[in-house]
Amino acid sequence: SQTIHQWPATLVQPVGSPLSLECTVEGTSNPNLYWYRQAAGRGLQLLFYSVGIGQISSEVPQNLSASRPQDRQFILSSKKLLLSDSGFYLCAVGTSQPGELFFGEGSRLTVL
Amino acid sequence: AQSVAQPEDQVNVAEGNPLTVKCTYSVSGNPYLFWYVQYPNRGLQFLLKYITGDNLVKGSYGFEAEFNKSQTSFHLKKPSALVSDSALYFCAVRDDNSGNKLVFGAGTILRVKS
Repeated sequence: SQTIHQWPATLVQPVGSPLSLECTVEGTSNPNLYWYRQAAGRGLQLLFYSVGIGQISSEVPQNLSASRPQDRQFILSSKKLLLSDSGFYLCAVGTSQPGELFFGEGSRLTVL
Repeated sequence: AQSVAQPEDQVNVAEGNPLTVKCTYSVSGNPYLFWYVQYPNRGLQFLLKYITGDNLVKGSYGFEAEFNKSQTSFHLKKPSALVSDSALYFCAVRDDNSGNKLVFGAGTILRVKS
């Protein structure tokens, strides 16, 4: 079975500081990986997805970037955080069933 | 573009009563529809899906959903609510013709009171 590790679980950062959120997947190979952001505890917005190493698709223009240096590692980054980057960031992996995603436990980012 | 709408921000129901969480969809082609649940400060969990076949699909924790093509709806239901069902529920539709890209609704908070 699949396992997703996201860290850090909680992060408080000042405006203008850099960001790195990491997602590591176990129990699968060559997965499709996704970064979602949940703002204000409600709706989910797809930020990035990746179908393989070095392959990143961005869904919305923003202050963030993503990288996939290894098959089961997906990193979300920013060079300079904005207040609007605060939110709950969820990493997800596609399963063998169309449309079924397995989510990690999330990383909560607060930008002050 | 594919989209789903959840018209209710919050649904309140008494324990033991039936519950319905509403979802309508707008898609081009055949819809692949999903329900996910999120407990506080946790990731989302898959509940059930409709791809084809019977309009009534059964999922985890006693939940079911009814696909209605004429009304473009996919409402989540449970015959008897539990306090532990209190959570945030998301309807979703597959965004592309392959893979797992999903478009989620805004979510509906379900509160079950004892």
